[in-house]
Amino acid sequence: GQQVMQIPQYQHVQEGEDFTTYCNSSTTLSNIQWYKQRPGGHPVFLIQLVKSGEVKKQKRLTFQFGEAKKNSSLHITATQTTDVGTYFCAAYGNKLVFGAGTILRVKS
Amino acid sequence: NAGVTQTPKFRILKIGQSMTLQCAQDMNHNYMYWYRQDPGMGLKLIYYSVGAGITDKGEVPNGYNVSRSTTEDFPLRLELAAPSQTSVYFCASSYSQGRGNTIYFGEGSWLTVV
Repeated sequence: GQQVMQIPQYQHVQEGEDFTTYCNSSTTLSNIQWYKQRPGGHPVFLIQLVKSGEVKKQKRLTFQFGEAKKNSSLHITATQTTDVGTYFCAAYGNKLVFGAGTILRVKS
Repeated sequence: NAGVTQTPKFRILKIGQSMTLQCAQDMNHNYMYWYRQDPGMGLKLIYYSVGAGITDKGEVPNGYNVSRSTTEDFPLRLELAAPSQTSVYFCASSYSQGRGNTIYFGEGSWLTVV
C-alpha cells in the first residue's frame, strides 16, 4: 500500500531558528495534507497541497509540494515555543495514510 | 457543532476485560475512522467506515471490532484487553474520502491496560 516517509523523526531547535520537515513517497501523490498535533492534543488540519510545485504560506509556515508530486516539505521560519508539537503529512491512496510525524521541540 | 466527540477520555482496564469507546459526530460526515497512536509514534488506522452499515479493516484491526448503525455513531469495541492495546485512540470523520477532504479528529481516549 501507499506509504509516506517523514524525516526527521525528531528535531530540537533554539527559539528563533528555522525548522523543516520532509515527506517523501515512492509513488505520485494526488494531494498531500499537513496536520499538527500539540503535546497531549489531537491532530488538527493545517493545509492541503494539490498542484505540482505548489507553495502555500500561513504566517511563518511555508508548505511546498514537489514538482513530481512525490515529496512535500513544511518550513517554519523563526520558530516560537507555540510551534512545539508533532507535524504529520498525510496522503490519499485508497484511504488517507499518515507519515510517522516529526516531533518539534523549541528551547526558549 | 460539537464536531467529533469521544468518550471516555481516560480509562484503565485490566487484562481480559472488554470495553467500548464511543464516538459521535454531528457534521453529517459519511466517513468515520478509528486510529491508535502509541507514545511518540504516528497514527495507525484500526477500522474505518464509509457509511452506515459498512465497515472495513485498517492496518491494525486485530483485537478490535466496530459497528456503524447510524451516520453519527462509530463505536470501537475492545474484546479481551491486552497490554499491547495501551494507547491513545482517536476517532475521526470526513465528508468523503480522497482529494479535497480533510479529517476532523476527536480529542482522544487514553487507554491503559494493566
